Amino acid sequence: DAGITQSPRHKVTETGTPVTLRCHQTENHRYMYWYRQDPGHGLRLIHYSYGVKDTDKGEVSDGYSVSRSKTEDFLLTLESATSSQTSVYFCAISGGRGEDNYGYTFGSGTRLTVV
Amino acid sequence: RKEVEQDPGPFNVPEGATVAFNCTYSNSASQSFFWYRQDCRKEPKLLMSVYSSGNEDGRFTAQLNRASQYISLLIRDSKLSDSATYLCVVNHYSGNTPLVFGKGTRLSVIA
Repeated sequence: DAGITQSPRHKVTETGTPVTLRCHQTENHRYMYWYRQDPGHGLRLIHYSYGVKDTDKGEVSDGYSVSRSKTEDFLLTLESATSSQTSVYFCAISGGRGEDNYGYTFGSGTRLTVV
Repeated sequence: RKEVEQDPGPFNVPEGATVAFNCTYSNSASQSFFWYRQDCRKEPKLLMSVYSSGNEDGRFTAQLNRASQYISLLIRDSKLSDSATYLCVVNHYSGNTPLVFGKGTRLSVIA
């Protein structure tokens, strides 16, 4: 979907280096999410945001931090990359009306390899 | 018990076959339910929402059984292009709280 883009699409980095992944949306959706996807585990929530400067942890948040200084951007930072953080990272947005949940729209993903 | 459980498959079926996927969820208070489709090395995409009364979209039918905490997806007249991984997805709460994903069921439709 053109409304959500992730960058970079691929990255190889060395153990111990900081890495920042960017998610950018043009849909003006309030909610943004970071998931990682690994074989045998499916999609697991890292962090999510329910508004500018409002974020919360997911089930696999250790070693990750996030920031959302404006509606359209949600950044995921690996403070000091480890090989266990080699994964495919997906950003998603949602913006259901009121109490309804209309599901997510995902970005195309970032393939991160930590060597 | 996992929050959302699916048979991982793979399901290998011939073109034209009918195939059904099942999913169970652990939280009886769950509010919203979805099926997503994910092609190899691509992002998941919403296939359909699942409503209490059941719903159909062309060859796809989704059913929800709240009493048994069970969701199903039926695909009729399978096409080669249906080959993908199908993810069962649940929202435990109302509104835009994070979704919980099953690990997916892989389908291969064979000519």
